[in-house]
Amino acid sequence: EDKVVQSPLSLVVHEGDTVTLNCSYEVTNFRSLLWYKQEKKAPTFLFMLTSSGIEKKSGRLSSILDKKELSSILNITATQTGDSAIYLCAVMGNAGNMLTFGGGTRLMVKP
Amino acid sequence: DAGVIQSPRHEVTEMGQEVTLRCKPISGHDYLFWYRQTMMRGLELLIYFNNNVPIDDSGMPEDRFSAKMPNASFSTLKIQPSEPRDSAVYFCASSFRGRNQPQHFGDGTRLSIL
Repeated sequence: EDKVVQSPLSLVVHEGDTVTLNCSYEVTNFRSLLWYKQEKKAPTFLFMLTSSGIEKKSGRLSSILDKKELSSILNITATQTGDSAIYLCAVMGNAGNMLTFGGGTRLMVKP
Repeated sequence: DAGVIQSPRHEVTEMGQEVTLRCKPISGHDYLFWYRQTMMRGLELLIYFNNNVPIDDSGMPEDRFSAKMPNASFSTLKIQPSEPRDSAVYFCASSFRGRNQPQHFGDGTRLSIL
């Protein structure tokens, strides 16, 4: 059974801080790892990572995959209050485009 | 472009009642997924369809839950009879065919069973 574990469970920082969120996985026939941001409603797609060592970047957010360590990190620099959300990591394995999600990291950014 | 559309946004009903949740996927997407999210268990996949055919329903908790996809633009998730432990946010997501396509989520239905 595929498994995704995220850490920390929650995090409180101040605006301007840099944060690193962690995701580790066990999956049969790994295909890709995805990061989502969930505020009050739907999870919204951030990144998809398929190749080890290649960083994906979007503004202040970046993510990298380490297939050897079966893990990924999501970095957010110069955090803003609008970054407050639950960040979800998910992996895609063998079956269709099915995802297995981790429990999420709840980030709170204080002004 | 319209995203995944779910209805209703909120549903409050008494235990024993039938509940029907609805989903319209993004046009052209071949995969449709139903999830349930709770504080205790996080986001769990219930069932998914490919080209309107159910592929994996191993996440459906009990026979009280059923899902259909009569055509490419509509799916329902039904709970009958409902119980208080079914209270959760139910999400529908869809994705395009092909390898490694991200899923796009609707805004969810917040279900409360009293």
